[in-house]
Amino acid sequence: DQQVKQNSPSLSVQEGRISILNCDYTNSMFDYFLWYKKYPAEGPTFLISISSIKDKNEDGRFTVFLNKSAKHLSLHIVPSQPGDSAVYFCAASQSFSGNTPLVFGKGTRLSVIA
Amino acid sequence: DTGVSQDPRHKITKRGQNVTFRCDPISEHNRLYWYRQTLGQGPEFLTYFQNEAQLEKSRLLSDRFSAERPKGSFSTLEIQRTEQGDSAMYLCASSWGDRVLDGYTFGSGTRLTVV
Repeated sequence: DQQVKQNSPSLSVQEGRISILNCDYTNSMFDYFLWYKKYPAEGPTFLISISSIKDKNEDGRFTVFLNKSAKHLSLHIVPSQPGDSAVYFCAASQSFSGNTPLVFGKGTRLSVIA
Repeated sequence: DTGVSQDPRHKITKRGQNVTFRCDPISEHNRLYWYRQTLGQGPEFLTYFQNEAQLEKSRLLSDRFSAERPKGSFSTLEIQRTEQGDSAMYLCASSWGDRVLDGYTFGSGTRLTVV
């Protein structure tokens, strides 16, 4: 049973436009959410995180929004750049201290077209 | 610090053989995780250590898989009697344990191909 779902396998966006990547989760015990980016032949790289006490967190061009009642989060990238082309994974945890390991979605492949 | 190192980067083995992978975490990180990723899937949790103690193993983890972290430093993951279904990217990650929102640091992985 997939507890973290990324229902769009791929997304194409023009350079300079906004990229919106979506993630849904089923486990109501999840309170901590992270986004990772992965280039080919590399391990995932941590991007940004959010806890359930907030509904928004920003870091430069990256913003994560959380709608806890809908069990939905999204990652916005503005403006999108060709170097953002990668696979993006959503991950979730029940524990602030990380006692329960991160659960990952299947990922969304973002292609930013120049 | 060079980040999380994994060795080898690639391994091709015949079905039925045993393989062992090594992970060197970031030195000050006390937690170490093993994940497996197959094509089109996200990383799937296998097991994790806090210092030298193995705290959790996935229920999906076959008895053919074993992991160690002697002295709380590097870790090894061994797969005995490999099967074609074991073909995957094996990812190691480490973290400084008490704040999940800081994320894990992943290595580049070991790609296993069982023929």
